[in-house]
Amino acid sequence: AQTVTQSQPEMSVQEAETVTLSCTYDTSESDYYLFWYKQPPSRQMILVIRQEAYKQQNATENRFSVNFQKAAKSFSLKISDSQLGDAAMYFCAYRSDTGNQFYFGTGTSLTVIP
Amino acid sequence: EPEVTQTPSHQVTQMGQEVILRCVPISNHLYFYWYRQILGQKVEFLVSFYNNEISEKSEIFDDQFSVERPDGSNFTLKIRSTKLEDSAMYFCASSEWETHTDTQYFGPGTRLTVL
Repeated sequence: AQTVTQSQPEMSVQEAETVTLSCTYDTSESDYYLFWYKQPPSRQMILVIRQEAYKQQNATENRFSVNFQKAAKSFSLKISDSQLGDAAMYFCAYRSDTGNQFYFGTGTSLTVIP
Repeated sequence: EPEVTQTPSHQVTQMGQEVILRCVPISNHLYFYWYRQILGQKVEFLVSFYNNEISEKSEIFDDQFSVERPDGSNFTLKIRSTKLEDSAMYFCASSEWETHTDTQYFGPGTRLTVL
């Protein structure tokens, strides 16, 4: 089975600064999809950004971007110009091209310091 | 923006009792999912559901679990005889399509505590 590892249980960042959250995964598949979800306190998980493994270009959504290193099986999330509203639990997730279940990491709790 | 909703937000039950967790997926979505997260552990897939039948399930989803879409809006997860180890946060999700590019939208979760 695929595994997703987030090695940083907690991270903090000063408001307006940049932070990078790490994610690695293990798979033998060549086609798959990677996601970052954000879960604010007492709110549902919402999709932050998505990357298709067959695309070499790193996905970007406004202040959020990823560094996708397929050979290293690494998928980090960079948040630029951090805002107080970015404080949340961030989950990295993997989805196979052939199935519909997500494999999640344990999450990284991000604190934004004013 | 449409959201997935779940009730109750917290459910406390005695071991051996049956519980039903409820979810209202986004109205035009066709695929539904349940995940769970035991405290301090990963979010784990339980089951996916489409066209009134299970399309995929994990090994966690044993005979104690069942899912149902009793009407046009609700999607339920039933645990027949709860065990202590069933204590977890249960997330419902839905997606419009099953394609690999489609986004799964998650509900806020139901925290189940089994005493």
